[in-house]
Amino acid sequence: QQQVKQSPQSLIVQKGGISIINCAYENTAFDYFPWYQQFPGKGPALLIAIRPDVSEKKEGRFTISFNKSAKQFSLHIMDSQPGDSATYFCAASSSVLGLGGSSNTGKLIFGQGTTLQVKP
Amino acid sequence: DGGITQSPKYLFRKEGQNVTLSCEQNLNHDAMYWYRQDPGQGLRLIYYSQIVNDFQKGDIAEGYSVSREKKESFPLTVTSAQKNPTAFYLCASSMMNYGYTFGSGTRLTVV
Repeated sequence: QQQVKQSPQSLIVQKGGISIINCAYENTAFDYFPWYQQFPGKGPALLIAIRPDVSEKKEGRFTISFNKSAKQFSLHIMDSQPGDSATYFCAASSSVLGLGGSSNTGKLIFGQGTTLQVKP
Repeated sequence: DGGITQSPKYLFRKEGQNVTLSCEQNLNHDAMYWYRQDPGQGLRLIYYSQIVNDFQKGDIAEGYSVSREKKESFPLTVTSAQKNPTAFYLCASSMMNYGYTFGSGTRLTVV
């Protein structure tokens, strides 16, 4: 129930095309869904994140679509560029009670990753 | 600049040897994490700490140990009990309701 399932494992897209990566989860307590981008030999960097009170969030060419009833969320990369070639990870976490009763982001559960190649 | 620093970038371990990976952050984050990354297996949680002097095992803690004596530091020791330590190790930190900030990683190789 703690798993986050990500697909596809790899993806090849032509420059200018749309890249779509999907993730599914089971734990209904998850309330934070980030996407990370990782280039070879580097640590992952936060790309975009969403909480379940909205169904879509857009930042530039990157959009997260969230379907709470289906327990699925996806990353769309519009007008994909060769510089977008990287590994993408989805993740999920549920809030935990922190010091003084504050709500903190709990530990992230990561998907298996998708290697995206954008061909020029 | 605030950030999270992992050292060394590359590390070589002989059979039966313990090695320690360093992770330091100046972001004033409360929580810190260690992940292991193997090809095709995503990121697997080794240990995490949400407060100084306290830490919890993750999914693959066997053969590893950590300490959290200072808020800024969360070193990971890969012990000789870890039979397959060759991997890319990532340290991360977080605070409140923000996402993780990752370091640049340490690539450990058994020789």
